[in-house]
Amino acid sequence: KQEVTQIPAALSVPEGENLVLNCSFTDSAIYNLQWFRQDPGKGLTSLLLIQSSQREQTSGRLNASLDKSSGRSTLYIAASQPGDSATYLCAAPSSNTGKLIFGQGTTLQVKP
Amino acid sequence: DTGVSQNPRHKITKRGQNVTFRCDPISEHNRLYWYRQTLGQGPEFLTYFQNEAQLEKSRLLSDRFSAERPKGSFSTLEIQRTEQGDSAMYLCASSVTGVPGELFFGEGSRLTVL
Repeated sequence: KQEVTQIPAALSVPEGENLVLNCSFTDSAIYNLQWFRQDPGKGLTSLLLIQSSQREQTSGRLNASLDKSSGRSTLYIAASQPGDSATYLCAAPSSNTGKLIFGQGTTLQVKP
Repeated sequence: DTGVSQNPRHKITKRGQNVTFRCDPISEHNRLYWYRQTLGQGPEFLTYFQNEAQLEKSRLLSDRFSAERPKGSFSTLEIQRTEQGDSAMYLCASSVTGVPGELFFGEGSRLTVL
């Protein structure tokens, strides 16, 4: 059974800092791993999808890595901005149904 | 707009009333998922459809909950005899079939049960 954990639950950083969000999963036989952003009271916006054959994926200031052997993924945010303040969720499929199992999220605050 | 659409966005109801939420997925997506999210938690899986077939239901989906996708397009999630513990954000997502692909989520429907 797939379980996903995110640490830390909350993070506060000054603007301009580079930061890393962590995600761990128990079942390494995953097809992919997806990172989402959620603003308060809103739905989820997909940020990055890393396929199992990939080790990392980049979009702008975001870089996500995947290490299946250790059951870990990281989301790296470069030169953080106040607009990056949100909750970041990682999720992994529990099976080939595509059903995602989510971590509890990391709530990020970037202070001007 | 070709994204996932959910209605209503907000619903306030009294305990014991029935509520229904609708989800319109991205048109070419034949998989549709429902999730529930409470404050400070990640989304929890409720159920999913492939075309019109409901293929999996979570134990979270009590007898008061029912979901349908009659024509393999839009889906409805009905909650009967609402309880205060049903207060949450109900999220819908869609994807294409095959090797698990990227899920696209709607803006969610927030339910408040008084």
